[in-house]
Amino acid sequence: EDQVTQSPEALRLQEGESSSLNCSYTVSGLRGLFWYRQDPGKGPEFLFTLYSAGEEKEKERLKATLTKKESFLHITAPKPEDSATYLCAVGTRSGNTPLVFGKGTRLSVIA
Amino acid sequence: DSGVTQTPKHLITATGQRVTLRCSPRSGDLSVYWYQQSLDQGLQFLIQYYNGEERAKGNILERFSAQQFPDLHSELNLSSLELGDSALYFCASSVEPAGAYNEQFFGPGTRLTVL
Repeated sequence: EDQVTQSPEALRLQEGESSSLNCSYTVSGLRGLFWYRQDPGKGPEFLFTLYSAGEEKEKERLKATLTKKESFLHITAPKPEDSATYLCAVGTRSGNTPLVFGKGTRLSVIA
Repeated sequence: DSGVTQTPKHLITATGQRVTLRCSPRSGDLSVYWYQQSLDQGLQFLIQYYNGEERAKGNILERFSAQQFPDLHSELNLSSLELGDSALYFCASSVEPAGAYNEQFFGPGTRLTVL
């Protein structure tokens, strides 16, 4: 069964304190790995797509990387407005579910 | 703003009732996906339509059904509602049919409360 595990569940950072969020996956045939940001009560906002190991994508203070077993979302010098839940999802060739989502990492950045 | 619209934003109803949630995809997107998000379960895929045809089916209850119309908007029908159906329901859309390869863009959601 395809599985996506995100860690930590929650992370509290001081403004400017860089860190990384982890998304590990066990799937049969990765088609794509997706990162989303979700604010409370809102729809997930697309951030990045990664397709192959070694690939990296950057956007402002965020950088996503991918290996064969996991992906990292690096947050450099975060600001309070980066506070949100970050979701990882994988697209696989198995089963009927186009995307399998992890439960997310809830990030709080304190000024 | 993703370009995906959902109505209504909030819905409060009673057990046993039936409701309809509506979604309009981004301009040009042919695929529509429905998800349920509850506090303990995370985002759960329900069903996907591509250009009017059912494309993929997840853990959707038999009490739930969906369709996509010729103008590409989609409706999710929930019937015989139970307390446990209270959740956020999201619609997402993408250009291509292969949801495993292509990013999906989510709407703002409908919050359903069953009393």
